[in-house]
Amino acid sequence: LAKTTQPISMDSYEGQEVNITCSHNNIATNDYITWYQQFPSQGPRFIIQGYKTKVTNEVASLFIPADRKSSTLSLPRVSLSDTAVYYCLVGDTTGRRALTFGSGTRLQVQP
Amino acid sequence: DTAVSQTPKYLVTQMGNDKSIKCEQNLGHDTMYWYKQDSKKFLKIMFSYNNKELIINETVPNRFSPKSPDKAHLNLHINSLELGDSAVYFCASSQDRSYTFGSGTRLTVV
Repeated sequence: LAKTTQPISMDSYEGQEVNITCSHNNIATNDYITWYQQFPSQGPRFIIQGYKTKVTNEVASLFIPADRKSSTLSLPRVSLSDTAVYYCLVGDTTGRRALTFGSGTRLQVQP
Repeated sequence: DTAVSQTPKYLVTQMGNDKSIKCEQNLGHDTMYWYKQDSKKFLKIMFSYNNKELIINETVPNRFSPKSPDKAHLNLHINSLELGDSAVYFCASSQDRSYTFGSGTRLTVV
């Protein structure tokens, strides 16, 4: 299984752009990269997913270089409510291998 | 409507008891999971079912037994509860490549 490495914690201020980078050197051909957000006392929530290049949705962008050995989650203009733990996951599309969560990045947004 | 619902939300019980946690999803997903999140916040996969068939069974004590009466339900039964079983248990379901998690069941064994 592809292991992921991401910073343990990050701090930011409201209105700033936050970029969280995840390393996944052993990513396999079938693997997608998915990011989840978890608030205290809640289950993880899907944010964004991609295979290569750039993906953008209403809440975030995901940048994946050509070698796919890393990815960067970009949160534009964060607010206090973006304070959460962000998980980078790598997994295949067959569903026969459950997603494995790493330790995540604890993002603290200050006023 | 809650997509993935777990009951109960909180469960406090004594060592040695047997308890069950229920999970239901109304998303029509084929695959369901149980994850355990310990005090250090690591989320670990325990079981995975696809269409009522067990496809992943990580190294968990056999005191833990999942049961899937139909593809919309995946219950977790735990026998002879131990202090170390205290954690938050999350049910999830998936279709294609994204997972939907329930809000968790906080189990406290005293």
